[in-house]
Amino acid sequence: AQSVTQLDSHVSVSEGTPVLLRCNYSSSYSPSLFWYVQHPNKGLQLLLKYTSAATLVKGINGFEAEFKKSETSFHLTKPSAHMSDAAEYFCVVSENNNDMRFGAGTRLTVKP
Amino acid sequence: EPEVTQTPSHQVTQMGQEVILHCVPISNHLYFYWYRQILGQKVEFLVSFYNNEISEKSEIFDDQFSVERPDGSNFTLKIRSTKLEDSAMYFCASRDTWGSYNEQFFGPGTRLTVL
Repeated sequence: AQSVTQLDSHVSVSEGTPVLLRCNYSSSYSPSLFWYVQHPNKGLQLLLKYTSAATLVKGINGFEAEFKKSETSFHLTKPSAHMSDAAEYFCVVSENNNDMRFGAGTRLTVKP
Repeated sequence: EPEVTQTPSHQVTQMGQEVILHCVPISNHLYFYWYRQILGQKVEFLVSFYNNEISEKSEIFDDQFSVERPDGSNFTLKIRSTKLEDSAMYFCASRDTWGSYNEQFFGPGTRLTVL
């Protein structure tokens, strides 16, 4: 069975400092992995996805994530946080891309 | 840029009433989904729909729920007799092809409040 655990429910950083949002997954097969972002009163927007072509995946708005099979992790990072990055972030795993399993979400706060 | 739309943005209903949540997926997409997120909890998969039939459903999607694609553009979720615990944000999503790494595109959600 597939599942995903987001290790932090809330992360707070200062503007201009690095962002790290942690995600660990469990899957019986080679999974698809995604990060989605949800801004207040908005839908879920795809940040990036793991396609198995490269373990380091680059997404929109300067975000990237590294797939580490040995650690079953897919942490999301950004070198320098911007105020507009404040949002809820969801790590998602799917074994067949039909039934997507969401993590509980991490709320990112960016302080000026 | 094409997007998934959902109406209404907020629906308030009395317990026991029927509600229909509306979604317009991206026009060339073939796979459709409903998810829900109870306040403070995870986003949960409800059902997937392809070729005018349900392809997968979760244990949450019981006989109270149904989905329909009544025309070429709309995709609806019906809850026949709402319960208090149905209060949640409901997200619709769509995807164009089966491919293993093709992402789902999500709508902004409908907040359902059952009183």
